[in-house]
Amino acid sequence: DTAVSQTPKYLVTQMGNDKSIKCEQNLGHDTMYWYKQDSKKFLKIMFSYNNKELIINETVPNRFSPKSPDKAHLNLHINSLELGDSAVYFCASSQRGDEYFGPGTRLTVT
Amino acid sequence: AQSVTQPDIHITVSEGASLELRCNYSYGATPYLFWYVQSPGQGLQLLLKYFSGDTLVQGIKGFEAEFKRSQSSFNLRKPSVHWSDAAEYFCAVTNTGTASKLTFGTGTRLQVTL
Repeated sequence: DTAVSQTPKYLVTQMGNDKSIKCEQNLGHDTMYWYKQDSKKFLKIMFSYNNKELIINETVPNRFSPKSPDKAHLNLHINSLELGDSAVYFCASSQRGDEYFGPGTRLTVT
Repeated sequence: AQSVTQPDIHITVSEGASLELRCNYSYGATPYLFWYVQSPGQGLQLLLKYFSGDTLVQGIKGFEAEFKRSQSSFNLRKPSVHWSDAAEYFCAVTNTGTASKLTFGTGTRLQVTL
């Protein structure tokens, strides 16, 4: 049973397009996150949600819009994709400090 | 603001040799500290964590880490490395509370020679 799942695993798209990445966790955690890992493997938090409420927004361009329809889901929508958005995006969930990561979505913008 | 420094970008060890990966953190209060491993093309797997209590923490795959408050360090160790340990290792620190977030170091790439 996958604890934190993401779809799709790979996403290749052209500049200017709009795309979404979905995330689901079956751990019953209250908090979910999106992280971005760049080409140099650096991981940085983008957003965090607690019980569907936005808690952290780390100066991410407003082309990125997270949406949490319920506690188990946190989706990421990206408008007007740019070359610099190419990265691996990880979803995570946590409870009492323990964070569990999804397998990642490799986004390539051409 | 919390931060993590991993001074070694790349380390090469021979299979069977011991390993120590360095991690220094900056955080105002008692930190929650983590080590994650990322194999090529994979997600992040939690190796071990320190919240409180015993400063020597045991993790999966034979790894351990020691929290040293006086040195602001949380170094990862393994007595005998296996070829399958080759991966990227990330140290991370988090604050506590509802607005908790992991702050990662830049990672250390471990290469294992046979």
